[in-house]
Amino acid sequence: EPEVTQTPSHQVTQMGQEVILRCVPISNHLYFYWYRQILGQKVEFLVSFYNNEISEKSEIFDDQFSVERPDGSNFTLKIRSTKLEDSAMYFCASTRYRAKNIQYFGAGTRLSVL
Amino acid sequence: TQLLEQSPQFLSIQEGENLTVYCNSSSVFSSLQWYRQEPGEGPVLLVTVVTGGEVKKLKRLTFQFGDARKDSSLHITAAQPGDTGLYLCAGEHSSNTGKLIFGQGTTLQVKP
Repeated sequence: EPEVTQTPSHQVTQMGQEVILRCVPISNHLYFYWYRQILGQKVEFLVSFYNNEISEKSEIFDDQFSVERPDGSNFTLKIRSTKLEDSAMYFCASTRYRAKNIQYFGAGTRLSVL
Repeated sequence: TQLLEQSPQFLSIQEGENLTVYCNSSSVFSSLQWYRQEPGEGPVLLVTVVTGGEVKKLKRLTFQFGDARKDSSLHITAAQPGDTGLYLCAGEHSSNTGKLIFGQGTTLQVKP
């Protein structure tokens, strides 16, 4: 069964460093998302991406964050200068159809900012 | 702002009991999804409900979407220890970008 894969599973970084979280969505999917989940809190939407551009972004997704689909298979989330409060699980999701969509989630990357 | 309130947050029951988890909002969602999430993993889709009043069954799990598409419930019949886990509801936001709004989650423990 096709799945969304995310790497690395765990990323430890120092505050102020740049990190890139990688995702390989399901191959025929067209819509891509990043969500995050701070420990003990609900899953929060970060950004949606379609046709090589951002469709919508949340207040969390400030100018320290960026997304890219550089080669037609990978979908990356970059945090330019990490803060302690960026520590969370980051989930990538993809779907083929936008309306009444079924989003498939990756296993997540645990980001720990020290 | 569209919000989803999920209740209860924690539920501990004995094997064989029935339970219901609720997901409520004052906003209309175009669809609502239920996920199950295991520790250290991403949410795994259980079901999507789309039409007001829709009822879907998945073995011992029954999902219902409210007539006004503002609320949903998950009912588990004769719970088993294998049902233990975190259950999440998520509504598709009216922005039509596919954005999902998640509830807080319900941690279910079924004791043998």
